[in-house]
This record gives sequence, structure tokens and C-alpha cells, in this order.
Amino acid sequence: KAGVTQTPRYLIKTRGQQVTLSCSPISGHRSVSWYQQTPGQGLQFLFEYFSETQRNKGNFPGRFSGRQFSNSRSEMNVSTLELGDSALYLCASSFNSGNTEAFFGQGTRLTVV
Amino acid sequence: AQSVTQPDIHITVSEGASLELRCNYSYGATPYLFWYVQSPGQGLQLLLKYFSGDTLVQGIKGFEAEFKRSQSSFNLRKPSVHWSDAAEYFCAVGARPGGTSYGKLTFGQGTILTVHP
Repeated sequence: KAGVTQTPRYLIKTRGQQVTLSCSPISGHRSVSWYQQTPGQGLQFLFEYFSETQRNKGNFPGRFSGRQFSNSRSEMNVSTLELGDSALYLCASSFNSGNTEAFFGQGTRLTVV
Repeated sequence: AQSVTQPDIHITVSEGASLELRCNYSYGATPYLFWYVQSPGQGLQLLLKYFSGDTLVQGIKGFEAEFKRSQSSFNLRKPSVHWSDAAEYFCAVGARPGGTSYGKLTFGQGTILTVHP
């Protein structure tokens, strides 16, 4: 069974641009969560989607948004990029909503210059 | 609000020595508890989890953890460390169904493990 796939693995963007990251969960999993990982703040929860609905949201500005498609694939979007958005963005999939067992992808490394 | 504290930022052990990584949490009730491991540039791999029942849980790669309600702790242990265990380890808590943070994992700051030959 394929694991969680995140694309692209690496991105370099300029301040003010926007970016879209993609996550394909494990087949059969319906919940996708997104996390931001930085050296200063550690791992922080962004949002969780289940059956195309956002179930929970972390404490991030509105520039961070996401969505989930009917095949459970998810995208997150960051608009008007700031230098502080440079981070490893991790996606996790679970069979059901709520942390029974979350499997993480390898992440997308975003660098904002 | 739930929170997780990993008191040790960096631990160094010799190969073959025993290991204990500490984790303390703050939560109104008994949360779901997890340990993850991350190698450089990689995602997180689940080592083990505690939902209920036996307070000593076994995980992959020879790791185990013990839930102690009275101490709000969930420490990770391994009797004999291998050089390949060098990585960063994260403790996490998740709310049970009905909790306001249901669907969210809260992570500790991580403990970097260095293994000397």
C-alpha cells in the first residue's frame, strides 16, 4: 500500500507570491491534516479535513487555506508569502477523523526568499 | 489547552546503552498519546500509541512507552540503542472524541538523539 505522497518535495518562492501544496493520502483514508514545522516553533497544526469538510483549524492567519477533494486528496494554499512561511509542511492521513493513527508524508520544504 | 513538554532537547548515548526520553503532557483528561521519530529531511514515523488499557505499550524498532496518569507522563524507552536510532523524537497528544481539539495533534519540541559508537 502506498504511503502518503506530498508534492512537490521542494519549492522556492518569492515574498508576495502564493503557493499550492498537494497531499495524496493512503488509499482508503478519509482524513488529511496539515502541519507546519519550523526550528523556532516546532510542529504546529494547520487544519484537518475529513470528507471534504474542514473539521478543525489551528492558529494561523487567513493566508493559509486548504481544501479536500472527493478522492480525499488535499491541497493547502498560502497566499502573499512571507519570509516566516519558510518551513517543512507535513501532511498526515488517517482512516477517520480524530487522531486514532496518523501517517505522515515526507513533507514539502518551502523556502521563501 | 493541551500541551506537551519534552524536557531534554538533546540526549547522547553510547550504542548498546539503554535510553529513556521524557514526555509530560497537560490535558484535562487522558488524551491519546503518541511517539513519533523523524530522520533528517524526512516525515514523521509513528513508533507507538496509547489509547487505553495496558499502560505499557510496545512499538516498532524495540521501543516501548509507559503511561503514568499520576505523573502526566508518557516516557519512551529502549533497552539497547542502535546507531540507526539516531534521529529526533517527538511526543504528541491528541484529544479524545468530543474534545474541542479533536482532530489535532499537539507535539512537544522534540528530543534529538545522538548515538556514539
